[in-house]
Amino acid sequence: NAGVTQTPKFRVLKTGQSMTLLCAQDMNHEYMYWYRQDPGMGLRLIHYSVGEGTTAKGEVPDGYNVSRLKKQNFLLGLESAAPSQTSVYFCASSLFRDNEQFFGPGTRLTVL
Amino acid sequence: GQQLNQSPQSMFIQEGEDVSMNCTSSSIFNTWLWYKQDPGEGPVLLIALYKAGELTSNGRLTAQFGITRKDSFLNISASIPSDVGIYFCAGQLSGNQFYFGTGTSLTVIP
Repeated sequence: NAGVTQTPKFRVLKTGQSMTLLCAQDMNHEYMYWYRQDPGMGLRLIHYSVGEGTTAKGEVPDGYNVSRLKKQNFLLGLESAAPSQTSVYFCASSLFRDNEQFFGPGTRLTVL
Repeated sequence: GQQLNQSPQSMFIQEGEDVSMNCTSSSIFNTWLWYKQDPGEGPVLLIALYKAGELTSNGRLTAQFGITRKDSFLNISASIPSDVGIYFCAGQLSGNQFYFGTGTSLTVIP
C-alpha cells in the first residue's frame, strides 16, 4: 500500500506556463482533496471530489482546475501560472466525508 | 473562510516537559482533528474528536473537544525529540469541508 502519492515533488515554472499535478491513492477512497499550504496560513482547500467524475470548489479555487476521471486519481491543473501560486500543494483522500484524511508528501511549486 | 486561531504559534521546550496547545473558533464544529507535520512531509493524523466534551488519548497525547464545540486542546506529556514538528488543528462544520489552523511549531531541546 503506497497510500497517497504525488508527482512531481518539485517544480519551477515561469509566469504564464501551465502544468498538471497528479495525485494517486490506492486505498479505494471516495473523497479526494487538493490543498495549498503557505507560511502562516495553514492548509487551504482548493478543490475536492466526492467521487469519480465529480469535482467541487473549495475555499481558494481561482486559477486552478481539477479532474477526477478515475477514482484513484485526482489531477490539479494550473492553466496560466502566477507568482501568487508559489506554494506547497498537498493532496489528501478519505473514505467518506467525515473520515480521517490521509495526506500525500506534497509538491513544492515555485512560479517565477 | 472559517478562522481557526491556534496558539501558541511556536514553542521551545526542554525534553521531558509537558506541552499544551489549543485551537479556538467563532463557529461551532462537529469534528475536531489534530495533525502533526514533519519537515518535507504531509500532515499525519494524531487524534480525531467527534463529540462535545470528548477526551481522547493516543499514547502520550491527549486531546479534548470543548463543551462549547468552538475549541479543542492538545496535550503532549513528557516530550521527546521526535515530537518536533508543526501541529495543526482542523475543524469540520456540519456537512462541509475541514478548516485548518495556522499551526503550532514545536521545538524540543534535548
